[in-house]
Amino acid sequence: LAKTTQPISMDSYEGQEVNITCSHNNIATNDYITWYQQFPSQGPRFIIQGYKTKVTNEVASLFIPADRKSSTLSLPRVSLSDTAVYYCLVGPWGAYNTDKLIFGTGTRLQVFP
Amino acid sequence: EAGVTQFPSHSVIEKGQTVTLRCDPISGHDNLYWYRRVMGKEIKFLLHFVKESKQDESGMPNNRFLAERTGGTYSTLKVQPAELEDSGVYFCASSQRAISEKLFFGSGTQLSVL
Repeated sequence: LAKTTQPISMDSYEGQEVNITCSHNNIATNDYITWYQQFPSQGPRFIIQGYKTKVTNEVASLFIPADRKSSTLSLPRVSLSDTAVYYCLVGPWGAYNTDKLIFGTGTRLQVFP
Repeated sequence: EAGVTQFPSHSVIEKGQTVTLRCDPISGHDNLYWYRRVMGKEIKFLLHFVKESKQDESGMPNNRFLAERTGGTYSTLKVQPAELEDSGVYFCASSQRAISEKLFFGSGTQLSVL
């Protein structure tokens, strides 16, 4: 199983760029890296997924180095509404081994005005 | 497009009673998952349906929990009899393809067993 390690919490101010790094030293060849965001009283929401190098969408960017042992979720110019818990998940593509997706403790991001 | 809906949003029952949670996945999503977060703990996988078949139920805590997905549409999760340690938030999620595909989560059912 590809276990992930993230910081428990992070603080930022509005307008800043936030980078949350996730370590996954035993990531497997067929594993993808996925990030979810969760607000209080809501279910997790998919943010971004990648396999290697860089992926960017309208919400965030995901940076994955060549060894894939870590990944960084980058949130540009955060606002108060970005205050949430962010989860890094690592799991295989196209397999039904659902127990390989472990949410972990996540990173609690607090954005201040 | 409607998202994943769960009912009820909150349920308060006494120990020993029965509770049934319902999940309506996004239309056309063959894959349906149940997760739960017990107070102070991480989100844990319970089980996975592919259409009406249980693909993986390795996360189900014990035989007091019964999940069904008749006809491959909505799913129910019954807890009978409920125990204090069953309290938590139960999430349902669905996806078109396999687990690593984007999962769409419902808002969850907050279950309190007194």
